[in-house]
Amino acid sequence: AQSVSQHNHHVILSEAASLELGCNYSYGGTVNLFWYVQYPGQHLQLLLKYFSGDPLVKGIKGFEAEFIKSKFSFNLRKPSVQWSDTAEYFCAAYKAAGNKLTFGGGTRVLVKP
Amino acid sequence: EAEVAQSPRYKITEKSQAVAFWCDPISGHATLYWYRQILGQGPELLVQFQDESVVDDSQLPKDRFSAERLKGVDSTLKIQPAELGDSAMYLCASSYDRTTNYGYTFGSGTRLTVV
Repeated sequence: AQSVSQHNHHVILSEAASLELGCNYSYGGTVNLFWYVQYPGQHLQLLLKYFSGDPLVKGIKGFEAEFIKSKFSFNLRKPSVQWSDTAEYFCAAYKAAGNKLTFGGGTRVLVKP
Repeated sequence: EAEVAQSPRYKITEKSQAVAFWCDPISGHATLYWYRQILGQGPELLVQFQDESVVDDSQLPKDRFSAERLKGVDSTLKIQPAELGDSAMYLCASSYDRTTNYGYTFGSGTRLTVV
């Protein structure tokens, strides 16, 4: 079955620390990849997306992600987090053949001030 | 910025009762999605509409769930009868078309608690 997996369920770190969240997908062939963020009490918002081209994509709020095709991975990074980055982060993958956006289980990130 | 509207924001219902959620997508968005997000998990697609037609309802528990988008604009998701395991956040999203080239826009969701 096609799936998206996120390695960490919870991450706790201090402000200014670096963040990396893992994401792996099980699709073969062409796939579009996304990271969404859900701040407390708010709706899902798109952080960044990868369709093709440069495998290092930059998104909003200083986030970036790297697509590594050989590893079926699309990890999210931020060099220096802020308290306001406290949120839940979801990786998602879309394969045109299924016309369906599939989400990972999410990672809750708590940034301590 | 255009938003996907959902109501109600919160709903508490007793098991075996009927419950309905409403979604109004962004104007001009042909594709509408209902997702269910159980606490601690990622959203799971329940049903996808292209205009007024259902294009994917493979994950919709059809014995108790139904969804419609009669005029190809707003949509209603119904559960009858509700069960304790239906407690979750129900998210609606819309997109310009069935690809992800234009992105999905999500609403704020309806949090359902079945008691």
